[in-house]
Amino acid sequence: GEDVEQSLFLSVREGDSSVINCTYTDSSSTYLYWYKQEPGAGLQLLTYIFSNMDMKQDQRLTVLLNKKDKHLSLRIADTQTGDSAIYFCAERIANNDMRFGAGTRLTVKP
Amino acid sequence: GAVVSQHPSRVICKSGTSVKIECRSLDFQATTMFWYRQFPKQSLMLMATSNEGSKATYEQGVEKDKFLINHASLTLSTLTVTSAHPEDSSFYICSASPGTGGGEKLFFGSGTQLSVL
Repeated sequence: GEDVEQSLFLSVREGDSSVINCTYTDSSSTYLYWYKQEPGAGLQLLTYIFSNMDMKQDQRLTVLLNKKDKHLSLRIADTQTGDSAIYFCAERIANNDMRFGAGTRLTVKP
Repeated sequence: GAVVSQHPSRVICKSGTSVKIECRSLDFQATTMFWYRQFPKQSLMLMATSNEGSKATYEQGVEKDKFLINHASLTLSTLTVTSAHPEDSSFYICSASPGTGGGEKLFFGSGTQLSVL
């Protein structure tokens, strides 16, 4: 089974906030990442957080990390139709291996 | 869940040698596989899209003679870094899709850390 888990689908209305959740199992994670994939394109790094931080904000994006529960979330404020994409959560563990979740497909309805 | 196996996980080689990285889909057939390269603290950069039975499609700026991709079966794609040099040192990740890769879910290998001395 996967060590990084995400919900598969999320649908929101334009202007609402989106929250994409992710859980991981390896307590030796050093960095945690959120990537965005638009159709036909490669992954784009949205943001990352060090494992010793609990929050990072970057414009419309807010990352929350609960290390005790091994839970990571990405909040997108004022979601736009251009935010429709697949979002991948990933962790880098102590030996530098990367583990990715299966991705959450975000659909933004006008 | 679907599993993609990538190995080796790390390799150290001398300048001028070639290194082969394998990417296998273990429980599904992957018509499309992707190869990425990541520099520290930067995003994954798509290098090429590999389609089973046909030539890979390389992204602009990626030398196809330098990075040879072979997708000979529906479960295996290989990336060979030919005549590696220190500037090729990087983290390489593959991903695989059971569909056409146009938006279906991707499943990732755990990456290969290449260090060229």
